[in-house]
Amino acid sequence: GAGVSQTPSNKVTEKGKYVELRCDPISGHTALYWYRQSLGQGPEFLIYFQGTGAADDSGLPNDRFFAVRPEGSVSTLKIQRTERGDSAVYLCASSLHGTYQETQYFGPGTRLLVL
Amino acid sequence: KQEVTQIPAALSVPEGENLVLNCSFTDSAIYNLQWFRQDPGKGLTSLLLIQSSQREQTSGRLNASLDKSSGRSTLYIAASQPGDSATYLCAVGPNAGNNRKLIWGLGTSLAVNP
Repeated sequence: GAGVSQTPSNKVTEKGKYVELRCDPISGHTALYWYRQSLGQGPEFLIYFQGTGAADDSGLPNDRFFAVRPEGSVSTLKIQRTERGDSAVYLCASSLHGTYQETQYFGPGTRLLVL
Repeated sequence: KQEVTQIPAALSVPEGENLVLNCSFTDSAIYNLQWFRQDPGKGLTSLLLIQSSQREQTSGRLNASLDKSSGRSTLYIAASQPGDSATYLCAVGPNAGNNRKLIWGLGTSLAVNP
């Protein structure tokens, strides 16, 4: 595709439920990143994939958060037992090789609201 | 721990004015610095990427400078237009090992008034 796409664009769920957020990176990009952005804040790094493997998951806040990228393209961010504090915009980005010199291209985000 | 600060938090200017947005960071050991634009309800658009070995980058009416030793970057917008209204975010890329995370400022909210 032309850019990074994310689905759904909006998700409303109840506290305690499980949610999955999907990211389709730019075709051919080997690196994929997840961030989350709370209202009035800058994005906060969650996890970075190089191919199918998570190269850095140091930003995942706790074990309720998990992300996969089984075929090295599409990625799913999974949140178990959602809490109201998980409400944020979840942003996905991709880059061609995952080198330091590259720009990360961002999707429009998924706005998650936990009631 | 790297911290990124952006000043001012908000800025309102009349159309046509030249303006400067500021970004400062506490750890000068960075690989690059990027300026992004964020429109309400939309994702982030990369504007300029400056590698640590560079001092500035230009794209159209935008010019970004980087002074690693002092931990500062500026984004200069010439002849501002109402379409420039958005939040501008600065992000730094660290220089260690497998680390690819970007560390972000809180942004400067810009309003350009017709």
